[in-house]
Amino acid sequence: DGGITQSPKYLFRKEGQNVTLSCEQNLNHDAMYWYRQDPGQGLRLIYYSQIVNDFQKGDIAEGYSVSREKKESFPLTVTSAQKNPTAFYLCASSFASGSYEQYFGPGTRLTVT
Amino acid sequence: GESVGLHLPTLSVQEGDNSIINCAYSNSASDYFIWYKQESGKGPQFIIDIRSNMDKRQGQRVTVLLNKTVKHLSLQIAATQPGDSAVYFCAEVLPGANSKLTFGKGITLSVRP
Repeated sequence: DGGITQSPKYLFRKEGQNVTLSCEQNLNHDAMYWYRQDPGQGLRLIYYSQIVNDFQKGDIAEGYSVSREKKESFPLTVTSAQKNPTAFYLCASSFASGSYEQYFGPGTRLTVT
Repeated sequence: GESVGLHLPTLSVQEGDNSIINCAYSNSASDYFIWYKQESGKGPQFIIDIRSNMDKRQGQRVTVLLNKTVKHLSLQIAATQPGDSAVYFCAEVLPGANSKLTFGKGITLSVRP
């Protein structure tokens, strides 16, 4: 089955620890994205990548880091510098041109205490 | 600033009735719009999209209307079903934004049996 996967679904960490969220797609999409969603809110763009080995900051990149070493993978690290890391994190992918439809993964709910 | 917004935070409809979800956008140069449905604890799912050179587009039980004069986008759902209960987001692509989507805050649709 083609799709986009995120793991784990739930993640718990202590304050001060870095944590990496996984995102993998087998849709042959060029572009990948990370969003943050807080309760009752919309999606805010953290980082995005339109090609391997290149990525750009979104609207709320502070305290986060990413890498894009492979077309299929776009992991997100939530660092200890992120002041309010508890949130629902969504990964998405799309073609870089032609169609703007983004396909979303099931999300990872991160809780930091 | 430029933004995508929704008029109402919640909408309650009777099963079988038609639903209309509205979205206002502030950037007249936006050339692509998309509606997503998000069920609780899941990633958003694509519903329908429309380009700025169109006024209307129909899908299965859904219709998107674009009024560029007043910068208004609406999603119509015919014969609303309990499975339609979810949060609905509109999103836009600004010219030059590549494949980035700018999301509105979302509206909750609640279907009464």
